[in-house]
Order: sequence, then C-alpha cells, then structure tokens
Amino acid sequence: DAGVIQSPRHEVTEMGQEVTLRCKPISGHNSLFWYRQTMMRGLELLIYFNNNVPIDDSGMPEDRFSAKMPNASFSTLKIQPSEPRDSAVYFCASSFGSGRARDEQFFGPGTRLTVL
Amino acid sequence: TQLLEQSPQFLSIQEGENLTVYCNSSSVFSSLQWYRQEPGEGPVLLVTVVTGGEVKKLKRLTFQFGDARKDSSLHITAAQPGDTGLYLCAGASLGNTDKLIFGTGTRLQVFP
Repeated sequence: DAGVIQSPRHEVTEMGQEVTLRCKPISGHNSLFWYRQTMMRGLELLIYFNNNVPIDDSGMPEDRFSAKMPNASFSTLKIQPSEPRDSAVYFCASSFGSGRARDEQFFGPGTRLTVL
Repeated sequence: TQLLEQSPQFLSIQEGENLTVYCNSSSVFSSLQWYRQEPGEGPVLLVTVVTGGEVKKLKRLTFQFGDARKDSSLHITAAQPGDTGLYLCAGASLGNTDKLIFGTGTRLQVFP
C-alpha cells in the first residue's frame, strides 16, 4: 500500500515567489497534519484537518501561509510570498480517527524547501 | 508553552553498547510517543505509552513513561548500526487542543 505521498520532494525558489506543497494522505485516513522541521526549532505542527475541516491552525506562522483540503485525498500548503526563513523540511502526516494526538500518525517523506 | 527537552542531543557509540535517551518536561501529557527518523524520510512511530509508570519493550528497545507523566526514557540494549537515526519523543498535550508536541531530538550514531 502507498504511504503518504508528498510533492515535490525538493523545491528551490527565490524570495517573493509563491510555493505550493502537495500531499496525498493514506486512503481511508480522515485526519491530516502539516509539520515543519528545522534544526533550530525541531518538528512543529502547523495545522491539522479532520474530515477535511481545519481544526487547529495556531501553528501557522503568519498570513503568508495557508492550507487547504478540498477533498479527503488531497491537501496543499501554500506560502505566498516566500522568505528565506521559510527554508525547512515540510512534512505531511495522516491518521485514522478524530485527529487525537495519541492516534498513530504516518508521515510522508517530506518536501525540502529552500528559499534563496 | 509545553516543551519537551531531550538529552543527550548527540550520541556516538560502538556497536554492542547500551544507551539511554531521556525526554523531560515540566508539563503533564496524556500520552507520549517515541519516533525514529532516518535521513530523507519522515518519522516512524515506535511506541505509545499512556499510563504513568508504564514500561513497553520492542525487541532491544525499552520505553518507560514517568509516574507523573512528565518524562520518559528510551533504553537500547546492544545497539546496532541499524539503530542509527534521530529519535524524537512527542507528548500529547492536555486541554482543548489535542495535538502532539515534539521533543528536541537525539541524534544517534552507532558505529560497527
């Protein structure tokens, strides 16, 4: 079975450009999470959805970040405009359940974003 | 803000040695998970502990949740090169927002 799929795996862009990261959760999972990982701050939750509805977006750094989940099999994280400090690895994870933290989350391989 | 501090940050050992990684917080968590992350991949769940004082074993790995549910430890017996990776603890926060708070991480290198 396919795990969580993320695209692209690597993205290099220039400051000010729009960046869109994509995620396909595991089929049947109804909770989806976006995380960001950096050396300085570790792994941080940005936003999570349950049944396609955003539940907690308190981790979204600022208005430049937005996330959508138009259906159960697809989500996007958009950064507009991008800045060098957004450089990080962005992970998508999915789980089955109500999105409780103790439910096992399955992580994708991540998207490494570099903003020049 | 709930924080999870892990120690040590880095650990380099020889194959066959034992090691313990610690995960500490001043906050109480409803449950705690341990993940291992390899380069270029996402974290993979190893175990979830829920009850204070709970001990779980996964082959050569032993996980313990503190009695007060504020801390946890991971002990590896006879480490092997395949154990190399980034170990992350993650606590499920109490309160209205039930989300995972990840620890600072311990990077383990096991040399043959």
